[in-house]
Amino acid sequence: DAMVIQNPRYQVTQFGKPVTLSCSQTLNHNVMYWYQQKSSQAPKLLFHYYDKDFNNEADTPDNFQSRRPNTSFCFLDIRSPGLGDTAMYLCATSRGAQGAYNEQFFGPGTRLTVL
Amino acid sequence: KNQVEQSPQSLIILEGKNCTLQCNYTVSPFSNLRWYKQDTGRGPVSLTIMTFSENTKSNGRYTATLDADTKQSSLHITASQLSDSASYICVVSWGEYGNKLVFGAGTILRVKS
Repeated sequence: DAMVIQNPRYQVTQFGKPVTLSCSQTLNHNVMYWYQQKSSQAPKLLFHYYDKDFNNEADTPDNFQSRRPNTSFCFLDIRSPGLGDTAMYLCATSRGAQGAYNEQFFGPGTRLTVL
Repeated sequence: KNQVEQSPQSLIILEGKNCTLQCNYTVSPFSNLRWYKQDTGRGPVSLTIMTFSENTKSNGRYTATLDADTKQSSLHITASQLSDSASYICVVSWGEYGNKLVFGAGTILRVKS
């Protein structure tokens, strides 16, 4: 089945220790997104890639970086995690960016805990 | 300011009963509206997506309605099941290309036996 896969599902890291979250997709979609979702809140878009074009949200902290080495994979790097970065991180994909083509398909998420 | 407001914040119903969740938005220019179901600890799963010209769309026991004039949408769940317990999120896309999204805070539904 075509899907969006995230690894790991659960990650615990120490304050200040870099961590990388992984997302892969078999949908062959052009756009990949990273969201941060804190408890009982709506997902917040961090950035997205349209093919290789990187689009950062204005309020995304510099601590968060992303890489997309190919169509299938996208990584979220948190360079120096703080306690406030404890959250669920959701990866999503869409065929395109406009209109109905930007219907997003979400992965199961990675729950990150920073101690 | 582009906003999506959902009500109620949470809801408890008995198994087998129907319920309706509300979504009001102030997003402009509107492109489409989606309802997602998010189980605890999982990613959101799309239920329906509606464009400006669509008034209603069904997906099994889920029926979404859209009134673009009043900028209101509802999600009606028929004959609820325990597995319907989840957060239901209303998302509106907007902008010249419909490529910007605004998420509602969600309604937490709990179905009891």
